[in-house]
Amino acid sequence: QVQLQESGPGLVKPSETLSLTCTVSGYSISSDYYWGWIRQSPVKGLQWIGSVTHSGSTYYNPSLKSRVTISVDTSKNQFSLKLTSVTAADTAVYYCGRDSGNSPWDYWGQGTLVTVSS
Amino acid sequence: EIVLTQSPATLSLSPGERATLSCRASQSVASYLAWYQQRPGQAPRLLIYDGSARATGIPARFSASGSGTDFTLSISRLEPEDFAVYYCHQRTNWPLTFGGGTKVEIK
Repeated sequence: QVQLQESGPGLVKPSETLSLTCTVSGYSISSDYYWGWIRQSPVKGLQWIGSVTHSGSTYYNPSLKSRVTISVDTSKNQFSLKLTSVTAADTAVYYCGRDSGNSPWDYWGQGTLVTVSS
Repeated sequence: EIVLTQSPATLSLSPGERATLSCRASQSVASYLAWYQQRPGQAPRLLIYDGSARATGIPARFSASGSGTDFTLSISRLEPEDFAVYYCHQRTNWPLTFGGGTKVEIK
């Protein structure tokens, strides 16, 4: 079955770049669908960060667009998130997920807590 | 951006009772609304998509309706595992947005 797994540092210093990777198994991300990142914090709830299509087109939340890059590596069946110039407000659980359009976010990673602190 | 407002924030019910949750959109999302369940320490799980279609493996006690700006999720008879937080989500317009959630707690 389809499985997603986030990986990356759990602690990032303020002003630095948060980098996470999502490894997908059970489905080839080059086949179809959107693949994206959602974060969750007590203050902002669930917040969509952005998505990338199987062909590499990207869509970002305007509130984060200036700091976000999402890319896909089909050879490794992975996609990645980079968020620059982080502050404490970026502390959250970060989820990667598959958005199959009609059936949005039908698969999720387990989530990874990223804390921004010096 | 489309704002989704969920009500109530908390619903206190007993097992076996019926739960009715509401999601209101700031502008029409047609039928492109989904519902998720999130248990503590877990990722959200897709329950309903396109307003009323149950996702794979979701029990029939979960049903949903609505279109445009007003949507409802119903759980006919609450099971112990149904006590969780429920979120609505729209995919009509970018940016994708989620509601603030309704917590269904044991009374």
